[in-house]
This record gives sequence, C-alpha cells and structure tokens, in this order.
Amino acid sequence: DGGITQSPKYLFRKEGQNVTLSCEQNLNHDAMYWYRQDPGQGLRLIYYSQIVNDFQKGDIAEGYSVSREKKESFPLTVTSAQKNPTAFYLCASSIPGSKETQYFGPGTRLLVL
Amino acid sequence: RKEVEQDPGPFNVPEGATVAFNCTYSNSASQSFFWYRQDCRKEPKLLMSVYSSGNEDGRFTAQLNRASQYISLLIRDSKLSDSATYLCVVNPRSGYSTLTFGKGTMLLVSP
Repeated sequence: DGGITQSPKYLFRKEGQNVTLSCEQNLNHDAMYWYRQDPGQGLRLIYYSQIVNDFQKGDIAEGYSVSREKKESFPLTVTSAQKNPTAFYLCASSIPGSKETQYFGPGTRLLVL
Repeated sequence: RKEVEQDPGPFNVPEGATVAFNCTYSNSASQSFFWYRQDCRKEPKLLMSVYSSGNEDGRFTAQLNRASQYISLLIRDSKLSDSATYLCVVNPRSGYSTLTFGKGTMLLVSP
C-alpha cells in the first residue's frame, strides 16, 4: 500500500535534548512538508521541500532543522532551541498538477518530560 | 484579518440534520481551495476540493465565491460518523506552494 508513515507515534523529550521525527513516503511525491498543530490551533508550517537536497523555512522554523537526502524521506529534528516543542507534528507530501493537494501521515505527538 | 477564518463551533446537531460551515480567506489571489476532515487525534484527510462552479460529492456540497472570498461546506442528512473537525484550506499561489489552514470547526452529531 502506498502512503506516508511517521515514527514514532509518541516521543518524549528531555530538557536540552534534540529529537528526530521520521517521515517516509512511497507515493513518489516530489514535495514534502512538516506542520505543527497545537490544541485549538490551525496547522502551522515548519519546513517544506520541493525537491531532493533543497528545503525552505516555513512560518515557524526556529528551533527546528530538516534534511532531504532522499525523495522518500524528510526527517525533522526538534532541537533544544525549540522552547515549547510539545505539539502534534504532521508530515505531508504532494505532487505537481494535483492542485497542490497534500496527503498527511498519521502524526507524531511530542511531549516534554 | 486572519488569512483563513472559520466559524468557531462546535456545532451540535442531531442525526439527519443539514449543517453548513463557512470560511473566509484574505488573499484575493488564492488559487486552490479544499475542505479537510480531521478526526480526534488523527491526521487531516482530504474531504473535497472546492471548484468555482461548486461541486458535490454525495451528501457533501462545496461552494466558492471568489468575489466575496468565501467558501462553504454543506452536509446533508448528517450521520454520527460525520462527527469531526472540518478544516478550510487555501492555497495562496499556483504551482508548488504551501497551504494555509483555518483552525477548523468541530461538528458533533448526536443520535
């Protein structure tokens, strides 16, 4: 089955620790995205990548980093510089010519201990 | 004005009711429009795209009014399984782009 997978489902971070969230897709989509969702809030864009080895900052990139070494993978690192990392993190992907419809993975919940 | 604004909700309706969600967007150059559905603690899933001529998918009807920068979603004959949060989503540019999400409106359908 084609789709987007994210792991882990739950992640706990200690103070001062960097953690990495995984996002993999086998849909052959060019573009991939990372969003953060807080309770009662809309999704906010962290980073996005339109092609391998290239990515751009979204609206709330501070405290986060990404890489795009393979088309299928777009991992997100939450660094210790992100002071309020507790949130629901969603990865998405899209293809050109599809009116930019984005398809989401199941998400990772990050909690700070 | 917020980029994408939705009714705050929640909407509580009985089974079989008709319910309408409204959404306004601030960027008049926006190109594409969508409704997504998000179940509690799950990822958003595409419900339907919204076209200028309006479009229907079973019990769901979406309308777009570019002049008023307004989008709507109508659900007829509500089912218990329709209970979810409905997200209005706008693409401000053509081509590869990032989407702007509304905060969502929660729908609770009761027996």
